[in-house]
Amino acid sequence: DAKTTQPPSMDCAEGRAANLPCNHSTISGNEYVYWYRQIHSQGPQYIIHGLKNNETNEMASLIITEDRKSSTLILPHATLRDTAVYYCIVRVYSGGYQKVTFGIGTKLQVIP
Amino acid sequence: NAGVTQTPKFRVLKTGQSMTLLCAQDMNHEYMYWYRQDPGMGLRLIHYSVGEGTTAKGEVPDGYNVSRLKKQNFLLGLESAAPSQTSVYFCASSYPSRGDDTGELFFGEGSRLTVL
Repeated sequence: DAKTTQPPSMDCAEGRAANLPCNHSTISGNEYVYWYRQIHSQGPQYIIHGLKNNETNEMASLIITEDRKSSTLILPHATLRDTAVYYCIVRVYSGGYQKVTFGIGTKLQVIP
Repeated sequence: NAGVTQTPKFRVLKTGQSMTLLCAQDMNHEYMYWYRQDPGMGLRLIHYSVGEGTTAKGEVPDGYNVSRLKKQNFLLGLESAAPSQTSVYFCASSYPSRGDDTGELFFGEGSRLTVL
């Protein structure tokens, strides 16, 4: 599975949109982009995933560039509860997670 | 629906002692995983299982053993604990992804282990 690169930390004002970037320049055609977040010391939690089209759910939006080499997770109206570490990973959908690398992610701090 | 449950949540061991971490999932998932998380190093895969009775090594398997005798349980054992094994351990499970699910990984709440 392809590796990803994320900035180690970001700040966002409460109520504003948080845009978290991820670079996955070596992504293969059959690999999906997944986002997870880890609040404090809890287990990571799934947010959203996509292949090439933009995706939206009740938690966030995922924008994938046309060449699929990068993506952005958007939290439209960040709250203090969104303060967490966000992980971007890529994986083959039909496989397990044994080849997936969870890096250090991006630590998002939402500021009042 | 409890999801993924880990026991114990906290444990302190002395060097050389042994212990077992238990992971139980009630979602009928085929795949199960054990990770460790250390400051500044993200999540690292220790061992995983793709089905009942099968296990395989991950990125950092040394010093650990696992067993998957029942589909719903995945046990992580430390035969002779070392201070380097002080960490937070996470269990996770997933389906082999089909077209009608998210393919997401479900995590437990973690087990914090300290080896003195």
